[in-house]
Amino acid sequence: EPEVTQTPSHQVTQMGQEVILRCVPISNHLYFYWYRQILGQKVEFLVSFYNNEISEKSEIFDDQFSVERPDGSNFTLKIRSTKLEDSAMYFCANKRETGTDTQYFGPGTRLTVL
Amino acid sequence: AQSVTQPDIHITVSEGASLELRCNYSYGATPYLFWYVQSPGQGLQLLLKYFSGDTLVQGIKGFEAEFKRSQSSFNLRKPSVHWSDAAEYFCAVHGNTPLVFGKGTRLSVIA
Repeated sequence: EPEVTQTPSHQVTQMGQEVILRCVPISNHLYFYWYRQILGQKVEFLVSFYNNEISEKSEIFDDQFSVERPDGSNFTLKIRSTKLEDSAMYFCANKRETGTDTQYFGPGTRLTVL
Repeated sequence: AQSVTQPDIHITVSEGASLELRCNYSYGATPYLFWYVQSPGQGLQLLLKYFSGDTLVQGIKGFEAEFKRSQSSFNLRKPSVHWSDAAEYFCAVHGNTPLVFGKGTRLSVIA
């Protein structure tokens, strides 16, 4: 069964540094998402992306965050200037069709900001 | 806006015992409901989903869930728990926005 992959599995960075989290979605999937899970808390929606543009974003997704598909396959989440509170598990998800199709999640990237 | 409540933060069951994890949702229309499982250090794996039709849905690993509109619930059940079922379980609802998750229920299994 096709899988969503994410790199790196763990990223440690200093506060104020930029990080880029990468996701390789399942091929022929068209809808992409990023979610965040702070340790011990629930999974929270960050942003959805379709047709090379953001379709929806949460209040968490402020100007420090950006997403893109630079080469048509990888889907990236960039945090420009990391803060301590950005430490979390970041999950990429994607689905083939709109509406009720299932979202498939990657294994996550654990981001630690020191 | 939709929301999900999982009232139980942590549940411990004996191996072989039955299991029920509770999930209540809030959404004005017919929701699309999901249960995901997260093993330590792993991503979220879909156990089952409800979109329409039969209110009792079967999933992977022997899990099932029942949608009860009158109670706004979508409880997850398994008749006989295995030690490998120890994990975090998340209920999620998809309405007019992307998935909204509950806070999760951590399941521990004892011998």
